[in-house]
Amino acid sequence: EAQVTQNPRYLITVTGKKLTVTCSQNMNHEYMSWYRQDPGLGLRQIYYSMNVEVTDKGDVPEGYKVSRKEKRNFPLILESPSPNQTSLYFCASTAGTANNEQFFGPGTRLTVL
Amino acid sequence: GQNIDQPTEMTATEGAIVQINCTYQTSGFNGLFWYQQHAGEAPTFLSYNVLDGLEEKGRFSSFLSRSKGYSYLLLKELQMKDSASYLCAASPYGQNFVFGPGTRLSVLP
Repeated sequence: EAQVTQNPRYLITVTGKKLTVTCSQNMNHEYMSWYRQDPGLGLRQIYYSMNVEVTDKGDVPEGYKVSRKEKRNFPLILESPSPNQTSLYFCASTAGTANNEQFFGPGTRLTVL
Repeated sequence: GQNIDQPTEMTATEGAIVQINCTYQTSGFNGLFWYQQHAGEAPTFLSYNVLDGLEEKGRFSSFLSRSKGYSYLLLKELQMKDSASYLCAASPYGQNFVFGPGTRLSVLP
């Protein structure tokens, strides 16, 4: 089954404790993105990747890092999480087709205390 | 800057037609997308417009006017399962996407 998976689905952590949210897709898509979704603000793009070893900042990259060492994986790293990073996070992947439909993972709900 | 605007909430009756509007201002334009998101779930793709005009897909249609920076999503023969948030998104360039705040649609019996 074609899908985007994220782990963990739920995470409660404390300020300053480094964490990684994994994202993997099995559709051989070139493009992958990370978003955060907050009430009233909608989805905001954090980082995106056009291919292996190629990443670029989205609209809200501060406090986040990403890497793309393999085509299928695009982990999101919070080196020193803060409470304002409490949010719902989505990973998405896109094939290199004209309509650029994005396939979203199930989401990771992160709470930073 | 980038800005996308859409109504926060709408209510409609089962079987009716509803139109959800979206206006956008982006530094570039690579297409306009509509996604559906049920509460607690991931967004799912509904439609994509890059040229002016109407794209029809079953009960859902999407319209784009590039000169006006305007799009709408038209839902016909509303069903209870259409109660969800509808997200308008523009692609200024490449894989950069800007989403609107979403319109929460409630379908009443």
